[in-house]
Amino acid sequence: DAGVTQSPTHLIKTRGQQVTLRCSPKSGHDTVSWYQQALGQGPQFIFQYYEEEERQRGNFPDRFSGHQFPNYSSELNVNALLLGDSALYLCASSWDSGDYGYTFGSGTRLTVV
Amino acid sequence: DAKTTQPNSMESNEEEPVHLPCNHSTISGTDYIHWYRQLPSQGPEYVIHGLTSNVNNRMASLAIAEDRKSSTLILHRATLRDAAVYYCILRDVRDYKLSFGAGTTVTVRA
Repeated sequence: DAGVTQSPTHLIKTRGQQVTLRCSPKSGHDTVSWYQQALGQGPQFIFQYYEEEERQRGNFPDRFSGHQFPNYSSELNVNALLLGDSALYLCASSWDSGDYGYTFGSGTRLTVV
Repeated sequence: DAKTTQPNSMESNEEEPVHLPCNHSTISGTDYIHWYRQLPSQGPEYVIHGLTSNVNNRMASLAIAEDRKSSTLILHRATLRDAAVYYCILRDVRDYKLSFGAGTTVTVRA
């Protein structure tokens, strides 16, 4: 049973560019959340998608946007990249509200130069 | 967001129990206590969660104080694979996000 799949695993972008990260949830899950984890820190919540709508958003600027597709997969888009956007981006899936736990992927390591 | 306090690090010997404390004195009645762990180079992994009563599963046990202001995650027999950062998180029943702190880095000695 495949867990959460994220692509790509690593990415290098230049400041000012745009990036799209992708996530396929665990089979049977319908909700996708995105987190940003800076080096040495705990993950920070970006937003959650359910039924193709953004259900909750963390304290991140509008440069961070997302999308959920009918098959429950999701994309995270970041525009006008800053050096400070360099981080590990984690996708987590769950069934609805995640009361029985979230399943995380291994993340996409984004480096902005 | 309700706050939790955990020790920065703990060490344990292999095959011995590990007791990870977490203080959450401002917990509200609608906060569940969640534990996740993050192994090196991986995303966080769900461990256990509870509201008021102690909970057990195949990975660990969660002991919750009667006043709910503290809890303890118990790994019954530590293995080298249990070396990770362990996060204690309070999640309101009406909230969808997990608010991670710095966690406790657990080192297991062979």
